[in-house]
Amino acid sequence: KAGVTQTPRYLIKTRGQQVTLSCSPISGHRSVSWYQQTPGQGLQFLFEYFSETQRNKGNFPGRFSGRQFSNSRSEMNVSTLELGDSALYLCASSLARTSGNSYNEQFFGPGTRLTVL
Amino acid sequence: AQRVTQPEKLLSVFKGAPVELKCNYSYSGSPELFWYVQYSRQRLQLLLRHISRESIKGFTADLNKGETSFHLKKPFAQEEDSAMYYCALSSSGAGSYQLTFGKGTKLSVIP
Repeated sequence: KAGVTQTPRYLIKTRGQQVTLSCSPISGHRSVSWYQQTPGQGLQFLFEYFSETQRNKGNFPGRFSGRQFSNSRSEMNVSTLELGDSALYLCASSLARTSGNSYNEQFFGPGTRLTVL
Repeated sequence: AQRVTQPEKLLSVFKGAPVELKCNYSYSGSPELFWYVQYSRQRLQLLLRHISRESIKGFTADLNKGETSFHLKKPFAQEEDSAMYYCALSSSGAGSYQLTFGKGTKLSVIP
């Protein structure tokens, strides 16, 4: 199976702009999660989507948003970019998890490196 | 709120020496804990989970609920073990995923 893919791999933007990042999950995976990785804060959960619905959201401002399409592909959007948004954005996919079921492994993509100037 | 703490940013050991990467957590519910590893220029990947109680690449980790710890251990370090290691806790709400990661420990195995 092909792994999780993320596009673009690198992105440079300036403050105030907006950006859209894309994630294609492993075929058959219906859950997509997004994480932000920075040297100072480490890996932080942004949100998770399943069947085109956001199921869980981390502690990030409303400038960070996402969506999931019917084919499970997901996008995240960051509006009004700030310097502090410079980070590696990771996407992870997994099989659907229903309440009470055992853990389904999350498979991570290579990330999109966003630099805000 | 859940929290994962990895007290060591960097851990250097000699090849053949024992390795212990520390992880402590705080979580009000019943935790699911994992170790993820990221080798140089590779993706973050699952190393092991506490539920399976398995040994992967010679590594083991035991969940100690009394001490709220989930330390990763290996009796004899190999050079190929050099990598970033992240301890993570899974909390579920309505069946969804949220992984809370520690800040990671960089393991350097000296030949």
